[in-house]
Amino acid sequence: QVQLQESGPGLVKASQTLSLTCTVSGTSIISGGHYWSWIRQHPGKGLEWLGYIYYSGSPYYNPSLKSRLTISMDTSKTQFSLRLSSVTAADTAVYYCARHSSNWCFDYWGQGILVSVSS
Amino acid sequence: DIQMTQSPSSLSASVGDRLTITCRASQTITSYLNWYQQKPGQAPKLLIYAASSLHSAVPSRFSGSGSGTDFTLTISSLQPEDFATYFCQQSYTTPWTFGQGTKVEVK
Repeated sequence: QVQLQESGPGLVKASQTLSLTCTVSGTSIISGGHYWSWIRQHPGKGLEWLGYIYYSGSPYYNPSLKSRLTISMDTSKTQFSLRLSSVTAADTAVYYCARHSSNWCFDYWGQGILVSVSS
Repeated sequence: DIQMTQSPSSLSASVGDRLTITCRASQTITSYLNWYQQKPGQAPKLLIYAASSLHSAVPSRFSGSGSGTDFTLTISSLQPEDFATYFCQQSYTTPWTFGQGTKVEVK
């Protein structure tokens, strides 16, 4: 049973860096064919894909956030992480980690974590 | 970026109704189209992948069709647990993008 779980602070001050970790269980994050992704959802809004890290360790970022976003992987801990710098109130959202599978869909999701940016 | 447009944005329906939600892509995405269901306070759940393939454990009352730019999600007989928001999503090219959602409410 593949499971993902986000963790990290629920409150971040404006201009600081938001850091989240996704812990994966039930599968190896270095198995081929999967793209380990971060997605966010602003309150009451739609879904925005932020980026992924491939099993090989190569990241890809949504150009809309590329300058502020870093996604990395810790294979020994079966975790991947997100760092979003210089946050503003517009970054307040529920952040999900998810697996983009070899069927080209997000088949497993974490439960999500609400991150609020305070001034 | 490929824009995904869903219609309607919301609808009211009754248990037993047949529903169709449409999703249009701003350019061709062949069959790289997925559908998700989201209930309040929960993460989205995959329903349909590759436009028409039913994800495991998803009831057969859900079906998907389409290719190119126009796609539909159909619920053949709405059940109480189906009141939720539905999103389409394209995986044809990055950045992967989602539709704005269709909220299915009780009439």
